[in-house]
Order: sequence, then structure tokens, then C-alpha cells
Amino acid sequence: DSGVTQTPKHLITATGQRVTLRCSPRSGDLSVYWYQQSLDQGLQFLIQYYNGEERAKGNILERFSAQQFPDLHSELNLSSLELGDSALYFCASSVDPGGGTDTQYFGPGTRLTVL
Amino acid sequence: AQSVSQHNHHVILSEAASLELGCNYSYGGTVNLFWYVQYPGQHLQLLLKYFSGDPLVKGIKGFEAEFIKSKFSFNLRKPSVQWSDTAEYFCAVRLDFGNEKLTFGTGTRLTIIP
Repeated sequence: DSGVTQTPKHLITATGQRVTLRCSPRSGDLSVYWYQQSLDQGLQFLIQYYNGEERAKGNILERFSAQQFPDLHSELNLSSLELGDSALYFCASSVDPGGGTDTQYFGPGTRLTVL
Repeated sequence: AQSVSQHNHHVILSEAASLELGCNYSYGGTVNLFWYVQYPGQHLQLLLKYFSGDPLVKGIKGFEAEFIKSKFSFNLRKPSVQWSDTAEYFCAVRLDFGNEKLTFGTGTRLTIIP
């Protein structure tokens, strides 16, 4: 158990819908990262937050957005869902992303199925 | 942009065989290197990491990896695999400073035959 929690574990929804994925980082970690794992794209970085502020953006679609709240939990919002958005979404957290020895610890993931 | 290559997509070994999984990255600057493992149906777990110093790093469960800067490689090794090592293995790179995202390789699926 890494200490990173994600809910829900599974999500099944229809095309065009909107869903919210939730992540709670390890105690003491200030930075949260979102990654998407799909069969065709592999593991791709989506977005990073640090202490409530967006810090870096990766291959995140405009239909997707995220935020980090004052209690440091983060939510990833996916809207106008398409079949191709079906994937495993992982959250990771780390304590000091600017530090030279920072390590990301991953949560169990949310499996999203879009029908 | 940095990239990571894992040339072995699927490796099948018998128990007690030795393992070496390849990982090469493309970036000319200083990098941090990681190996993560994903057991069936589970999340990514950190196996080992390299930041600096001794290029031979030891991780959990008897795994080790060697950083060879001249070859841009960070291969994962285990002298004797067990059935429980069946999993997917991911190599990841992070630039030393200023860009904290992890760039992952495509993964190597390891199947151990009892």
C-alpha cells in the first residue's frame, strides 16, 4: 500500500458523459500527478499540481481538467467522454518535486470504461 | 523531449532463470531513473531508483539495476526469478530539475513458468 488513495476503483459510463476521479496523496506529500494508462498510448503524464497550483501539463485533452484543493486532495474531471477515453487513470504523489531525490508513489488507479 | 525505450515487450522465463530487462533513454542531461512493477490487477510499485552515486542500485525483492551513462541505459536484473515475479515492468525517466513528470517506457511483460 503506497498511501495514495483513489476513488472510485471502477467507473462505467456512456459517451458524452462527465465523470470525476478523486485522489488523496500520501500524508505530507504536496504534489499530485495524474497519468493515463491505455493499451495504445501506454503510460502518459497528464497534469501535475503542487500545493494547490498547477505546475506542469502534459498530454491532457481540453475536455479534461483537474484541480487540487486546500486539503491537497485532487480531482480529475473528464467531460464529453469518448470511447477512446477508456483507460486506467493513476494518481501519484510526491513530497518535494523540486528536490533532487523526489520519488512518485502511485495509487491503485481508477479504471474508466466508456460505452 | 526525453523518451524511454524498452525493447523487450514480452519475456518468458522459467523459475530460477536469470533476468535482464533493457531500458534506454534519450536525453543528454542529468536524469533520475526508476523501475516500477505492476502486478496483475494492481498499481505501480517502485522497485528501485537511481539519482546519483554508485551506478549499481539495489531494490526490493532481489532486483538491481545498473546505470551506464555512456550507453544511456538502466537495465534491470535479477539473478534468479520466481513465479511471483510475473508482472509488467516499467522503466521511467525524470529530468533532474525543472521537469518533474515521469516519462515511461512501453513496459515489458514478464511471464515466469513454474
